[in-house]
Amino acid sequence: GAVVSQHPSWVICKSGTSVKIECRSLDFQATTMFWYRQFPKQSLMLMATSNEGSKATYEQGVEKDKFLINHASLTLSTLTVTSAHPEDSSFYICSASGGYSSYNEQFFGPGTRLTVL
Amino acid sequence: GEDVEQSLFLSVREGDSSVINCTYTDSSSTYLYWYKQEPGAGLQLLTYIFSNMDMKQDQRLTVLLNKKDKHLSLRIADTQTGDSAIYFCAAGDSSYKLIFGSGTRLLVRP
Repeated sequence: GAVVSQHPSWVICKSGTSVKIECRSLDFQATTMFWYRQFPKQSLMLMATSNEGSKATYEQGVEKDKFLINHASLTLSTLTVTSAHPEDSSFYICSASGGYSSYNEQFFGPGTRLTVL
Repeated sequence: GEDVEQSLFLSVREGDSSVINCTYTDSSSTYLYWYKQEPGAGLQLLTYIFSNMDMKQDQRLTVLLNKKDKHLSLRIADTQTGDSAIYFCAAGDSSYKLIFGSGTRLLVRP
């Protein structure tokens, strides 16, 4: 099946710094990538949807200036958490869709755990 | 908008069947999915069902869909300790966007 990787798998940073998380589709071209946020023992909340070469579409309540998303190629999307604060600590998961699945499947990365001190 | 709800916890004995339930609100959902998440990991697609289907079986997994009641269930036959995880149902439309339920934590007792 299709493989999606994320890097780093975990990161600890100081408050006020920026952190970049990469999401890569390893064996297929991802026309659409999604970024989710998951708090402990809670569900995944969609943050934004990005299509290659165009601006991301953010869900209501998600600050686009704080969570910068770039989908520059068909295999790479990045999420940058700018000026991170402790409340941004969370598990961030990306998914990718290649548009070839008959059932709109999204392939999920393993997630990145962000801890802001 | 779409709302997807699940019970939070289920405990079963090894070898028994597990049934995890899910309800959704948007009747235009095209696909309904079941994902499994193990601790500290991403999501693994277990199975899916198209909205015009009533049932789908895949080895130990059986998905039932009651479109009238907007109710989805996942039955795991002969549940094993390796099935212990969080199970999410998700509803999707033609735009690829998924709305996830809160997840059901399945604990399988030896």
